[in-house]
Amino acid sequence: GESVGLHLPTLSVQEGDNSIINCAYSNSASDYFIWYKQESGKGPQFIIDIRSNMDKRQGQRVTVLLNKTVKHLSLQIAATQPGDSAVYFCADNEGGTYKYIFGTGTRLKVLA
Amino acid sequence: EAGVAQSPRYKIIEKRQSVAFWCNPISGHATLYWYQQILGQGPKLLIQFQNNGVVDDSQLPKDRFSAERLKGVDSTLKIQPAKLEDSAVYLCASSLGTNNEQFFGPGTRLTVL
Repeated sequence: GESVGLHLPTLSVQEGDNSIINCAYSNSASDYFIWYKQESGKGPQFIIDIRSNMDKRQGQRVTVLLNKTVKHLSLQIAATQPGDSAVYFCADNEGGTYKYIFGTGTRLKVLA
Repeated sequence: EAGVAQSPRYKIIEKRQSVAFWCNPISGHATLYWYQQILGQGPKLLIQFQNNGVVDDSQLPKDRFSAERLKGVDSTLKIQPAKLEDSAVYLCASSLGTNNEQFFGPGTRLTVL
């Protein structure tokens, strides 16, 4: 399939290590945030979300942290696996609307 | 449960030609979205439908792009005439409602020569 984001920022991690992917958003009125994973040739896939009344939310091997003061979002992946290799996008709901605004994405490469 | 279906998966056309993409959302999903994803960027919303009505088409270049969802189920996105800068992946997504999780299809990769 085609590649997604040939010129994206890239994070390379060893298999088994933890990964941290960062994202900044611009609209301080946004109150809902989502992380998506996009593998080559596929559409984005929902990973985890968080609302602005929370600072942290955990899923299976993933944790999202939200710092509203500096408008920063991060995705932590524990014990990174080869299947985690993909492009990761954050999105926010543009100042509290229904519309999702996607960030530019980060490519995660898992090294064996 | 079947996911969002899109066709074709790939399309190559010359500039000034016309092209159409088709999307079949998840059954029962009232909200349908078309996104444009240029290589190296995140998806950008082009148009959003609620059933067969347009909710938001503020980012749709209406001089050349059009979309419809006549029966509130399938949708088509058309570009006429295409420009080089239209080369991108066109993603369709659907959700139960406006504030529900969006499920994306695999996209149609358009190359305009």
